[in-house]
Amino acid sequence: DGGITQSPKYLFRKEGQNVTLSCEQNLNHDAMYWYRQDPGQGLRLIYYSQIVNDFQKGDIAEGYSVSREKKESFPLTVTSAQKNPTAFYLCASSTGQVISGNTIYFGEGSWLTVV
Amino acid sequence: GQQVMQIPQYQHVQEGEDFTTYCNSSTTLSNIQWYKQRPGGHPVFLIQLVKSGEVKKQKRLTFQFGEAKKNSSLHITATQTTDVGTYFCAGRGYQKVTFGTGTKLQVIP
Repeated sequence: DGGITQSPKYLFRKEGQNVTLSCEQNLNHDAMYWYRQDPGQGLRLIYYSQIVNDFQKGDIAEGYSVSREKKESFPLTVTSAQKNPTAFYLCASSTGQVISGNTIYFGEGSWLTVV
Repeated sequence: GQQVMQIPQYQHVQEGEDFTTYCNSSTTLSNIQWYKQRPGGHPVFLIQLVKSGEVKKQKRLTFQFGEAKKNSSLHITATQTTDVGTYFCAGRGYQKVTFGTGTKLQVIP
């Protein structure tokens, strides 16, 4: 089946440790995104990539890093510099650029808890 | 910068009652999309509105885009328990997509 696969579903991390969330899509989409969702808040954009080997910061990029070495993969690293990393992280993709009105497809999300 | 607000934040309705959520942008939008997120799930695309004053229907759901393309609404007629979830709008402005804060709908059987 075509879709977006995120792993792990649940992750616990100790303070001071980096952690990488995996995101793989087989939809052949050019654009990929990472969003953060906190209770009672909307989706906030962390990073996005419109093409391989290129990515841009979103609204809350501090403490996060990404790479886009392959079209189908867009991993997110939550570094120790992220002051409040406990959240629900959603990876997403779309066929074209952000401004082109393309539907955004979401993965099932990863719950990260810092203990 | 572009801001998109949604009201109300929460809504409890008795099954069979109607429900409406409103989305308001600080800037003019090129289009707006609506998504539904079931409890414990991920957002799923519902619909896209592009034209000023556009109205679209999906069974019991009616979506409207304002004349000035700065606001939108989602109306559900005769809610059912399957409508439970959080409804998000996503407004596309210049070079940017901004999600609203979401409206969490609870339907009481």
